[in-house]
Amino acid sequence: AQSVTQLGSHVSVSEGALVLLRCNYSSSVPPYLFWYVQYPNQGLQLLLKYTTGATLVKGINGFEAEFKKSETSFHLTKPSAHMSDAAEYFCAVSENNAGKSTFGDGTTLTVKP
Amino acid sequence: EPEVTQTPSHQVTQMGQEVILRCVPISNHLYFYWYRQILGQKVEFLVSFYNNEISEKSEIFDDQFSVERPDGSNFTLKIRSTKLEDSAMYFCASSIRNTEAFFGQGTRLTVV
Repeated sequence: AQSVTQLGSHVSVSEGALVLLRCNYSSSVPPYLFWYVQYPNQGLQLLLKYTTGATLVKGINGFEAEFKKSETSFHLTKPSAHMSDAAEYFCAVSENNAGKSTFGDGTTLTVKP
Repeated sequence: EPEVTQTPSHQVTQMGQEVILRCVPISNHLYFYWYRQILGQKVEFLVSFYNNEISEKSEIFDDQFSVERPDGSNFTLKIRSTKLEDSAMYFCASSIRNTEAFFGQGTRLTVV
């Protein structure tokens, strides 16, 4: 069985500061890992994904995440927060079929001016 | 850019009524999914569909739910007799193969 834990339901940063959203996963097989962003009243947009290969993956809007197998983590980072980054972020894990993903509870990112 | 489209964006229905949520997946995709997100909660997998049949479903997807791909382009989710607790945002998603799924904007279902 697979599961995802997102540490911190709310994260607040100042504009220009580092963004760090934490995600730990559990999977019985090598996982596929995803970060999605959801703006208010909108759908889910894929930020980035890890399937195989390079453990540091870069996504859209300047975000990146590093797969660390030893720590079962896939934390999302961005060097400098922008006001437009304020949204809900979901980490998700899939064991084979990427469509059947298990999502974390989500982290609400607030960016202060 | 191709996208998954869902209609309607918001549906209000009375308890006990049947509803059909519609989705048009990306045209060359082969795998189709429904997820739901109850307000303030996490996104939950409902069902996956491939080769004209359900490939996997969750515990949530009980007998009151059904899916169909009636005409090769649409992908529908039917809830036969809605309950108050069915109120949620329902997301359709599709993927070309076992990689990332592309999500639609969702249909907000309100059962009154």
